[in-house]
Amino acid sequence: EIVLTQSPATLSLSAGERATLSCRASQSVSSYLAWYQQKPGQAPSLLIYDASNRATGVPARFSGSGSGTDFTLTISSLEPEDFAVYYCQQCSKWPLTFGGGTKVEIK
Amino acid sequence: EVQLLESGGGLVQPGGSLRLSCAASGFTFSSYSMYWVRQAPGKGLEWVSGISGSGGSIIYADSVKGRFTITRDNSKNTLYLQMDSLRAEDTALYYCARRHGSGNYYFESWGQGTLVTVSS
Repeated sequence: EIVLTQSPATLSLSAGERATLSCRASQSVSSYLAWYQQKPGQAPSLLIYDASNRATGVPARFSGSGSGTDFTLTISSLEPEDFAVYYCQQCSKWPLTFGGGTKVEIK
Repeated sequence: EVQLLESGGGLVQPGGSLRLSCAASGFTFSSYSMYWVRQAPGKGLEWVSGISGSGGSIIYADSVKGRFTITRDNSKNTLYLQMDSLRAEDTALYYCARRHGSGNYYFESWGQGTLVTVSS
């Protein structure tokens, strides 16, 4: 099973700041990696797929990069609605696995 | 607009059974693989099971293999998860999700979830 490790567990930032989230895979997943955002009491929503493609309707301030084992989700300038938990997920091999999540909280 | 509405959750004793349903609308249901993903209270996401559009290809996480059965009824646009021999560790919010239109195994659309609690 491919293990995804996200860091940091919690990121404390202010609105307007840049957020950089990391996801590291225990083996190469090529570019088969997605990022999801989950707000309290809501289902997750797809942000980025295939490492760097924004999903439909996702604002341009969200960007993804990386390949192989190291991936990054960047939020260029945090908006109030961006404070949430973010998960990465790989679909290179079964079983599909998720990272443990990074909580982006208001500083 | 894609809509997924889960139902069937509740409180069940260890060893008991429950059947979850997910009613889909807003897309051609039979054209998409569907999945169940769960989230234990205060925890992260765990993929549970998946089924192809025709129902001919099915896969399970090891943690539920032999206890859970995924099926679908394309005439009713509904996905199911039969959960048997339930354990305390199966307690979670269960989401149904639709496969991404790119064909890769991402979860493009999600329901709001149905809560399963396994406790005596």
